[in-house]
Amino acid sequence: DSGVTQTPKHLITATGQRVTLRCSPRSGDLSVYWYQQSLDQGLQFLIQYYNGEERAKGNILERFSAQQFPDLHSELNLSSLELGDSALYFCASSAETGTAYNEQFFGPGTRLTVL
Amino acid sequence: AQSVTQPDIHITVSEGASLELRCNYSYGATPYLFWYVQSPGQGLQLLLKYFSGDTLVQGIKGFEAEFKRSQSSFNLRKPSVHWSDAAEYFCAVRPHNNNDMRFGAGTRLTVKP
Repeated sequence: DSGVTQTPKHLITATGQRVTLRCSPRSGDLSVYWYQQSLDQGLQFLIQYYNGEERAKGNILERFSAQQFPDLHSELNLSSLELGDSALYFCASSAETGTAYNEQFFGPGTRLTVL
Repeated sequence: AQSVTQPDIHITVSEGASLELRCNYSYGATPYLFWYVQSPGQGLQLLLKYFSGDTLVQGIKGFEAEFKRSQSSFNLRKPSVHWSDAAEYFCAVRPHNNNDMRFGAGTRLTVKP
């Protein structure tokens, strides 16, 4: 158990809909990262938040957005869903301060199925 | 372009045999290098990482990896594989100056009894 929790575990929805994925980082971790794992694209970094502020952006679509709240939990919002958005979405957290590297601890993921 | 390549999609080894999983990267400068393992239905777990210094790094579960600058490689090894090592293994790289972690496509390891 990494200490990172993600809800829900599974999500099934229809094209055009909007969903919210939730992540609670390990206690004390200030950074949260979101990743997408799909069969055709592999594992891709989407976005990072550090202490409530966006820190880095990867291959995140404009239909997707994220935020980190004062209690440090994060939400990933996916809108206008397409079949190709079906994937496993991982959240990771780290104790990162400044630009020094700290190990990222991954949650168990949320499996999103778009029908 | 920056990239991470894991040439082997699927590898099968017998229990007790040695293992080497390959990883090559293409970056402007030597990035931070990592190996992660993903068991079915689980998130990723860090096996080991290389930042600088000794090019042979030891990780958890008996794994080690060797960084070879001349070959832009960071291959993962284990001298004797256990059935519980069956999983998917990901090589990842991250530049020193940002948080954009790039993962390879993964290598699925099957362990025969």
